[in-house]
Amino acid sequence: QQKVQQSPESLTVSEGAMASLNCTFSDRSSDNFRWYRQHSGKGLEVLVSIFSDGEKEEGSFTAHLNRASLHVFLHIREPQPSDSALYLCAVSIGTSSGQKLVFGQGTILKVYL
Amino acid sequence: NAGVIQTPRHKVTGKGQEATLWCEPISGHSAVFWYRQTIVQGLEFLTYFRNQAPIDDSGMPKERFSAQMPNQSHSTLKIQSTQPQDSAVYLCASSLRGRQDTQYFGPGTRLLVL
Repeated sequence: QQKVQQSPESLTVSEGAMASLNCTFSDRSSDNFRWYRQHSGKGLEVLVSIFSDGEKEEGSFTAHLNRASLHVFLHIREPQPSDSALYLCAVSIGTSSGQKLVFGQGTILKVYL
Repeated sequence: NAGVIQTPRHKVTGKGQEATLWCEPISGHSAVFWYRQTIVQGLEFLTYFRNQAPIDDSGMPKERFSAQMPNQSHSTLKIQSTQPQDSAVYLCASSLRGRQDTQYFGPGTRLLVL
């Protein structure tokens, strides 16, 4: 059963500094990973999807997948206060009823001026 | 495209009352998912419909919770005899047929049971 854990639980960075978030999963047979952002009181917004080892960039967000080490990272380049939110890692798993997403607990990111 | 619509956005109920939450998926999406989000448990899968048929309800509490999708334009999650531990944000998501890995989420309904 796929287990997804995120670290750190919370992260505070200054505007413009790189923010790095970590997501660890337990079953390397998954090949579909996503990072979501959730602003307070809002729904989930997909930031970047990655399906193979290596990097995938979407704007200021870069996902880095290393299936051998069971990690997928999210790097946020020059974060702004508007990037303050909950960041969720999701791993897609195949079931008899189709694909299902398993989420980590999230990392709360705070960006200050 | 209005995205996934959830109503109400906030609901307060007394212990023992019934709560019904509504979700309108994105037009053309054939799969609808319900999740529950709490600080302690994070985001938990509850149930999933495809073409209005229930496919997987493995995350639904066996008692008091039920979900339906009477037509392709809306789904409901009903909680009978609500308890304080049901307080959470309930999120609905939809996806295109065959793309359950790419889900679009609504803003959620924040349920508070007093």
